[in-house]
Amino acid sequence: DAKTTQPPSMDCAEGRAANLPCNHSTISGNEYVYWYRQIHSQGPQYIIHGLKNNETNEMASLIITEDRKSSTLILPHATLRDTAVYYCIVSLARGGNKLTFGTGTQLKVEL
Amino acid sequence: EPEVTQTPSHQVTQMGQEVILRCVPISNHLYFYWYRQILGQKVEFLVSFYNNEISEKSEIFDDQFSVERPDGSNFTLKIRSTKLEDSAMYFCASRGTIKQFFGPGTRLTVL
Repeated sequence: DAKTTQPPSMDCAEGRAANLPCNHSTISGNEYVYWYRQIHSQGPQYIIHGLKNNETNEMASLIITEDRKSSTLILPHATLRDTAVYYCIVSLARGGNKLTFGTGTQLKVEL
Repeated sequence: EPEVTQTPSHQVTQMGQEVILRCVPISNHLYFYWYRQILGQKVEFLVSFYNNEISEKSEIFDDQFSVERPDGSNFTLKIRSTKLEDSAMYFCASRGTIKQFFGPGTRLTVL
């Protein structure tokens, strides 16, 4: 699986957009980009995934660069409840599809 | 929305004892996983399971570990002879097509 690089921490004011970057320069053509988050010691929560195109759902938007070597997760209006560790993971969508978690980005949303 | 459930939420055991952690995956999912997270460390993949057999396992998943899907709904992780270093949060996950959904975890404490 391709390795990802994320900043260890970020701060965001409540109500503002949180933009979390991820580098995955060794991604292969059939690997998806997944974003998960973990609040305290709860189970990781799926946020969004994408292959080539930008994606949006009720939680977030995912912007993937044209060369697919990096992506940005956007939380459009961050709230205090979005404070969590955010993981960018690259993985195949077929077969075992194990997820390899890194250390992620600790996002702190403040008043 | 369907959820992955896990029991118990917390298990305390003595070193050398056997433990069984239980999971009920989302009902129409076909791929099942166990991950663990030692306190303060990354989430680590243990094993994936598909079509009633292990599809991939990590180096952590040695002979002391086993998985089973004893009926149509449960998915279990057994640790035969627990060690102090097995103390961790254990997360079960299941996948239908592309997305893995995680349970809330079982906190295993080995004394």
